[in-house]
Amino acid sequence: SQQGEEDPQALSIQEGENATMNCSYKTSINNLQWYRQNSGRGLVHLILIRSNEREKHSGRLRVTLDTSKKSSSLLITASRAADTASYFCATVSGGYNKLIFGAGTRLAVHP
Amino acid sequence: NAGVMQNPRHLVRRRGQEARLRCSPMKGHSHVYWYRQLPEEGLKFMVYLQKENIIDESGMPKERFSAEFPKEGPSILRIQQVVRGDSAAYFCASSPGQGAFVSGANVLTFGAGSRLTVL
Repeated sequence: SQQGEEDPQALSIQEGENATMNCSYKTSINNLQWYRQNSGRGLVHLILIRSNEREKHSGRLRVTLDTSKKSSSLLITASRAADTASYFCATVSGGYNKLIFGAGTRLAVHP
Repeated sequence: NAGVMQNPRHLVRRRGQEARLRCSPMKGHSHVYWYRQLPEEGLKFMVYLQKENIIDESGMPKERFSAEFPKEGPSILRIQQVVRGDSAAYFCASSPGQGAFVSGANVLTFGAGSRLTVL
């Protein structure tokens, strides 16, 4: 069964705007990861946040984690057309990389 | 480093035929995961293998599906007697192993996927 739900399912913005995607999950986790998938391609790892961390940055990406609410958010600042893709959160609960994915947010960034 | 290599990229089969999907992990990676993705959905875990061992196959259908990761050669996901519902993208991912998990660098590297279409 899927662990998480992403919100919104689809997001359409203009270049330069910020994009925020949310993810909720059901069980306790070791870490939460965000991946990007361009149409028809494999997944690319973006960022990992451990259960004892609250916020993490990587370039234009900012991830927050609230374990009390079992939720995470991914913020992409100053978006570009090249950011157009599907974004998935995935959680790890056990001792290995059995990722449980949400259904994803489809982001469209218009020039 | 060629990354995770999957082949074929596209495979068309008729109902009742067999599908074999191959995955060569990244150099130095001894752990392989298979995931399935239906259109407009996220990836669903199928099976986790180490060399010559199936560690977790809880996501794999009990019938018609099997996976192996032999001592030599790629990991194989085999689907016998395919049905239309098997049409999906199948992704393989690899990681260095448990040690990498402890250090925090346990992210998976995904292949580009194999897209199976069952007519």
